[in-house]
Amino acid sequence: DQQVKQNSPSLSVQEGRISILNCDYTNSMFDYFLWYKKYPAEGPTFLISISSIKDKNEDGRFTVFLNKSAKHLSLHIVPSQPGDSAVYFCAANRGGSEKLVFGKGMKLTVNP
Amino acid sequence: EAGVTQFPSHSVIEKGQTVTLRCDPISGHDNLYWYRRVMGKEIKFLLHFVKESKQDESGMPNNRFLAERTGGTYSTLKVQPAELEDSGVYFCASSPQPVPGELFFGEGSRLTVL
Repeated sequence: DQQVKQNSPSLSVQEGRISILNCDYTNSMFDYFLWYKKYPAEGPTFLISISSIKDKNEDGRFTVFLNKSAKHLSLHIVPSQPGDSAVYFCAANRGGSEKLVFGKGMKLTVNP
Repeated sequence: EAGVTQFPSHSVIEKGQTVTLRCDPISGHDNLYWYRRVMGKEIKFLLHFVKESKQDESGMPNNRFLAERTGGTYSTLKVQPAELEDSGVYFCASSPQPVPGELFFGEGSRLTVL
C-alpha cells in the first residue's frame, strides 16, 4: 500500500514558466515532508522540506505548500530552468521513525 | 570533501549467485541508510545504522539480505542467494543527524539478476 503518491509520472514546461509538482499522502501520522531531486546516474539530492506545523516553506525559486486537511503537498518552481529537468521525489517522515517514505517520482522536463 | 561512494556501480549476476555491495559514507556521519528502488517504483527503505549498530532493519525483504557496518565506518549489503526480484538500484545514504535531517545519497549500485 503506497502511502506517498505522485500520480503524474511526468511534466513538461517551458523555461521561465512555473512548474507545479504534486504529492498526496495517506498516513496522517506523517509530520515532515521533503522533496529530493535526482539526475540520471546520480543519487537523490535534498531540495526542500516542510514541517507539518507550517503550510509554506520557500527557498529561492522553490516553494513547498502543505495542505494537511487534504493530505496534499506541492512543489512550485518559479521560474523553471532547463537545469531543473530531473526526477523529483516526494518523501514523508513520521516523528520517531528513521524511515523516509518516498513516492514513485515525477520526471520534470523544462524546455528552452 | 568526498561524498557517499558506492561500489560497484553496476553488477550483473545470475540467479542463485551472491553479490556484496559496499558503501562508504561521508566521514563523520554516524547515520547510514540503505534504500532500494525497483524499476519505476518508489525508493524503499531497507535499514538504518547508527555507527555499527542496526537501529531499524524492518525494510529488509527477507533473510537473503545481510547488512553490516564494520567499526561504524563503511557498510556492506550482501544478497545471498540472489533472486530475479532483487534487481534494482541500491542507494546508500548518510547523515550527521537523524531523519528528518538531510540525507546525502550515493550514486547507487545497480543490480541486475538474470
